Amino acid sequence: DIVLTQSPDSLAVSLGERATINCKSSQSLLYSSNNKNYLAWYQQKPGQPPRLLIYWASTRESGVPDRFSGSGSGTDFTLTISSLQAEDVAVYYCQQFYTTLFFGGGTKVEIK
Amino acid sequence: EVQLVESGGGLVKPGGSLRLSCAASGFIFSDYAMDWVRQAPGKGLEWVSSISGTSTSIYYTDSVKGRFTISRDNAKNSLFLQMNSLRAEDTAVYYCARGGSGSYSWQDYWGQGTLVTVSS
Repeated sequence: DIVLTQSPDSLAVSLGERATINCKSSQSLLYSSNNKNYLAWYQQKPGQPPRLLIYWASTRESGVPDRFSGSGSGTDFTLTISSLQAEDVAVYYCQQFYTTLFFGGGTKVEIK
Repeated sequence: EVQLVESGGGLVKPGGSLRLSCAASGFIFSDYAMDWVRQAPGKGLEWVSSISGTSTSIYYTDSVKGRFTISRDNAKNSLFLQMNSLRAEDTAVYYCARGGSGSYSWQDYWGQGTLVTVSS
């Protein structure tokens, strides 16, 4: 099984500052035949279902603000919130879909 | 507008059974794989099961193999999860989510979830 490890478990960032979340995979998520990384990012606010933010590691879902960006390839990936807003307080999960689905443990983002 | 509405959750004793349903609307149901994802109270997301659009490919996480059965009725735009031999560790909110057209994909739409509580 491909396991994802997120870091940190939580972080507190001032409004307007950058938040960076890391996701490390136990195996490469880069599929050589199409050169795509099989990784997605989700946001989950309390009492709500997850919301898709990013797929193919760096493609922003329609309607997602451009302050959210995804980067990385192979086994190391990053979700960046360039300028944290109050509405971004949530838990963020990475997910691999290279094989059967697996989610990282989540990173809680709070306001400092 | 894509909508996914789960139902069928509730309180059940260990060893009991439940059948979850997910009613889909706003898209061509048979064109998409569908997934069940659960979240135990205060915990992270855990993928449970996936089914392709034509039901030809079905997958389960190891902890539910042999106990849970995923199915779908494309004529009724419905997804199901039959859960047998339930255990306390199956207690969670169960989400229905839309996958993609391939074997494995991200989930772009999610229902609000239905709570399953396994307790004596």
